[in-house]
Amino acid sequence: NAGVMQNPRHLVRRRGQEARLRCSPMKGHSHVYWYRQLPEEGLKFMVYLQKENIIDESGMPKERFSAEFPKEGPSILRIQQVVRGDSAAYFCASSPLSGVSNQPQHFGDGTRLSIL
Amino acid sequence: KNEVEQSPQNLTAQEGEFITINCSYSVGISALHWLQQHPGGGIVSLFMLSSGKKKHGRLIATINIQEKHSSLHITASHPRDSAVYICAVTNSGGSNYKLTFGKGTLLTVNP
Repeated sequence: NAGVMQNPRHLVRRRGQEARLRCSPMKGHSHVYWYRQLPEEGLKFMVYLQKENIIDESGMPKERFSAEFPKEGPSILRIQQVVRGDSAAYFCASSPLSGVSNQPQHFGDGTRLSIL
Repeated sequence: KNEVEQSPQNLTAQEGEFITINCSYSVGISALHWLQQHPGGGIVSLFMLSSGKKKHGRLIATINIQEKHSSLHITASHPRDSAVYICAVTNSGGSNYKLTFGKGTLLTVNP
């Protein structure tokens, strides 16, 4: 499967637990973007990463949220001490290495996070 | 006011009808994207355009840069076209990787 892979597809956590969302970009892509889709709202940009670097995290909540894209392995979006308001669909997208930032972004199927 | 506005919010059509979904934006852009999202599903990129018109199968996307407006047309609509259609823009300037999204148009095509 050459597409953007996200896992898990569904994740249930209790308030106060940690949530880890994984994203493997398309082969040959080294730019990763995370977006959040709250119920009844549009998608919102969270963070843009390249391998081992956070380029823009202006859309990330200041506390409890972090993201990484290590040299090896998938990108991880981590939410600590989850609260009910974190319930949302989290989408990852990737784009090629070409260095031209205005590229079509290829999206994964998303992770639906539910907080009990 | 949102930077990207879509209309209509909801659209119901009969199979075979010609569909138009509109998108207006208020910022300078380097590109405009049309995306498709099926209920509970992933997001598929349909078009990325910065001028003129693009066509893929029964889908046509147009953009008027001067008027800051884009349209997505579906010819000979089919129930499998039922989905949310999302317009998004990448701003001109340094952050032209960052997508700003409209709230989407829910299209239902009845057989």
